Amino acid sequence: EDQVTQSPEALRLQEGESSSLNCSYTVSGLRGLFWYRQDPGKGPEFLFTLYSAGEEKEKERLKATLTKKESFLHITAPKPEDSATYLCAVQAGGGADGLTFGKGTHLIIQP
Amino acid sequence: NAGVTQTPKFRVLKTGQSMTLLCAQDMNHEYMYWYRQDPGMGLRLIHYSVGEGTTAKGEVPDGYNVSRLKKQNFLLGLESAAPSQTSVYFCASSLTGLEAFFGQGTRLTVV
Repeated sequence: EDQVTQSPEALRLQEGESSSLNCSYTVSGLRGLFWYRQDPGKGPEFLFTLYSAGEEKEKERLKATLTKKESFLHITAPKPEDSATYLCAVQAGGGADGLTFGKGTHLIIQP
Repeated sequence: NAGVTQTPKFRVLKTGQSMTLLCAQDMNHEYMYWYRQDPGMGLRLIHYSVGEGTTAKGEVPDGYNVSRLKKQNFLLGLESAAPSQTSVYFCASSLTGLEAFFGQGTRLTVV
């Protein structure tokens, strides 16, 4: 059974204080690992796809990395508008039967 | 470009009533999905479709039915609503079965 575990559950940072969110996964044949951002009352917004260990993707203050067991979402010099819940998901090999999601990390950036 | 549109956005049902949630996408995507999101549980797949006229069960399909008569639409039905179906429902679509793009959600309360 595919599993995704995100940590921490919640994180409070000061504006400009860099940190990382963790996503550990167990899956039978990884097709892709995905990061989403979700604002309150909204649907998840796609951020990144990572396909293989060693791959990195960047977007503004966010950088996602992937190893064979986990992924990190690094947030550099965050701003209050980066406050959101960040979701990690995996797609296993062999089909297109949806994504398996973690429970998310609720990130708060204080001014 | 509307992306993925869900109707309605909010609904309150009495136990035993039925309803249909509509999802429409204008991106010509083959794959469509219905998820539910509950506090502390993360997003869980209810049903999905890999193309017009096809449907398949996800992780939590009991109590729900779906239809994909047209490529752009994916309907989720509740035949006899139960309080355990109180949740936020998200529809998503994908071109390749990998990156999925989500609608804004339907908040359903069953009393």
